[in-house]
Amino acid sequence: SAVISQKPSRDICQRGTSLTIQCQVDSQVTMMFWYRQQPGQSLTLIATANQGSEATYESGFVIDKFPISRPNLTFSTLTVSNMSPEDSSIYLCSVGDQETQYFGPGTRLLVL
Amino acid sequence: GDSVTQMEGPVTLSEEAFLTINCTYTATGYPSLFWYVQYPGEGLQLLLKATKADDKGSNKGFEATYRKETTSFHLEKGSVQVSDSAVYFCALSGGYSSASKIIFGSGTRLSIRP
Repeated sequence: SAVISQKPSRDICQRGTSLTIQCQVDSQVTMMFWYRQQPGQSLTLIATANQGSEATYESGFVIDKFPISRPNLTFSTLTVSNMSPEDSSIYLCSVGDQETQYFGPGTRLLVL
Repeated sequence: GDSVTQMEGPVTLSEEAFLTINCTYTATGYPSLFWYVQYPGEGLQLLLKATKADDKGSNKGFEATYRKETTSFHLEKGSVQVSDSAVYFCALSGGYSSASKIIFGSGTRLSIRP
């Protein structure tokens, strides 16, 4: 199994600002995923981040709003740009493949 | 595209009761099926999985059988405990349109009374 850490664990931000969330894995992985879990809702995939290539975004998510970096095989960042209260969610990164995925503890974001 | 439909919550049971949380899926190909659990204030954990038809996943007293004929993967436990209170997500991956993505159901909140 993989051990995943995320920073920050939670934050309160003002609208119009940006927040970068970090995801660190204890082993090298090919695919990393970023999900959003809005209050009381299920998880929605934002994008898939592969090292050495541009992230692949799901319908409804765009790079300008959620830029992603993947500088190496153990690390990724997700930025939530120009935040609004609607961006208040838990953001989770995960690693794995179609057989098994492991999730980080999540970053709880509240936008005022 | 691929999708997962699971039982609406919340579900409230007494300790030692029998639990069933229904889950059905729509997918082309041969997806793997999962149950994830999210305890209060914690991240998502894989509870069990099954990768082909008729496989049974099991963990911590929970079981689910991959039923291709009914496209179902219902979660069961014979005797629940207060510590089982959590949100449970049914999910699939590996269908032709989902590939390595995980498609989650809406989640079912389970509360167990002492």
